[in-house]
Amino acid sequence: EVQLVESGGGLVLPGGSLRLSCAASGFTFSTSSMSWVRLAPGKGLEWVASIMKDGTETYYVGSVKGRFTISRDNAKNSVFLQMNSLTTEDTAVYYCGKGRLSLDVWGQGTTVTVSS
Amino acid sequence: QSALTQPPSASGSPGQSVTISCTGTSSDVGAYKFVSWYQHHPGKAPKLMIYEVSKRPSGVPDRFSGSKSANTASLTVSGLQAEDEADYYCTSYAGTNNLVFGGGTKLTVL
Repeated sequence: EVQLVESGGGLVLPGGSLRLSCAASGFTFSTSSMSWVRLAPGKGLEWVASIMKDGTETYYVGSVKGRFTISRDNAKNSVFLQMNSLTTEDTAVYYCGKGRLSLDVWGQGTTVTVSS
Repeated sequence: QSALTQPPSASGSPGQSVTISCTGTSSDVGAYKFVSWYQHHPGKAPKLMIYEVSKRPSGVPDRFSGSKSANTASLTVSGLQAEDEADYYCTSYAGTNNLVFGGGTKLTVL
């Protein structure tokens, strides 16, 4: 079964950090681009970051550049999102998705709450 | 980059057809064939319904179709069914490695 499972969400103070993980199974992870997308309360989906299959190229939405880092470990079929300098605007459900311009597999999401 | 513009809501009765629009600019929707549509039932994982403007992934019913004209993409759901009630989002490649989403449309089956 093709599956993505996110983890690592939680409650964090403004200015804090969090590392999200996404474990993939059921497909050839090492040949797939991967992305993170978020859904903030009362808002629509927003693309956050993408990483190419070999990890040499990464892309970010402007609002997270310099604060978030996407990475992957093809040996462990996992993709990560390191989030630093978090603000309340980063509060959202974070989804991991397979693909770059169209995401054909999604996880159930992990919730990140930034609050004091 | 700005979000693509979608109507906040749409509705139709079972069996009817409904079309959801997604308006961008000549720098995103109008410039590239990389328009996708996603169905999202709250609390669940989003699902890819259409990619590259009009292509359907395996398993998506042919009741769902996509098209594009100039800077506006459209998703049409024919033969509406109760399970089609969900939020629908469009996306488009916007150049310079950016991907932009629409604000989402809540589809109600009356």
